Amino acid sequence: AQSVTQPDIHITVSEGASLELRCNYSYGATPYLFWYVQSPGQGLQLLLKYFSGDTLVQGIKGFEAEFKRSQSSFNLRKPSVHWSDAAEYFCAVGAVNQGGKLIFGQGTELSVKP
Amino acid sequence: DAGVIQSPRHEVTEMGQEVTLRCKPISGHDYLFWYRQTMMRGLELLIYFNNNVPIDDSGMPEDRFSAKMPNASFSTLKIQPSEPRDSAVYFCASSPGTVSRNEQYFGPGTRLTVT
Repeated sequence: AQSVTQPDIHITVSEGASLELRCNYSYGATPYLFWYVQSPGQGLQLLLKYFSGDTLVQGIKGFEAEFKRSQSSFNLRKPSVHWSDAAEYFCAVGAVNQGGKLIFGQGTELSVKP
Repeated sequence: DAGVIQSPRHEVTEMGQEVTLRCKPISGHDYLFWYRQTMMRGLELLIYFNNNVPIDDSGMPEDRFSAKMPNASFSTLKIQPSEPRDSAVYFCASSPGTVSRNEQYFGPGTRLTVT
């Protein structure tokens, strides 16, 4: 069965520092990969997505993610974190045989120190 | 487009009462999903529809929960009777389906408090 693992439940970084949030998936073929962000009291907003092609994808708010097939990973990165990036981040996996569903990871909560 | 619309945004009710949550998906989207989010259990898929037909309701916690989609522009999630452990944020999401590789668009959520 497909699964998504976000190993870090909570990460704290200083404002201006770089960020990397980890995501590992389990799936036999190339999945569709997504990162969503949830600010407090809000719904989930799509940050970026990977379907095929260039393994480095750019998203909104200065985020990027890299698909590494050999490591079954899709880690989210940002070179310089802003205080407004404090939120919860979800990695998700979709596939042709999932009938339209996405499988979500448990989320990583990001705190930003001033 | 206005995005996915959910109502009410907040609901406070007493144990034993019926609660109905509403969702209007994005026009043209064939899939509609209901999720529940709590601190303890995270984000859980409750049920989803394709072309107004329920496809998978294995996430519905028990018979007190029911969901309907009478047409392409409206869905309800009903809890009857409600219990304190149903307190959570309930999200509705819609998707164009496989044409968009299952990309989902989320509503703002309904925060339910059962006292």
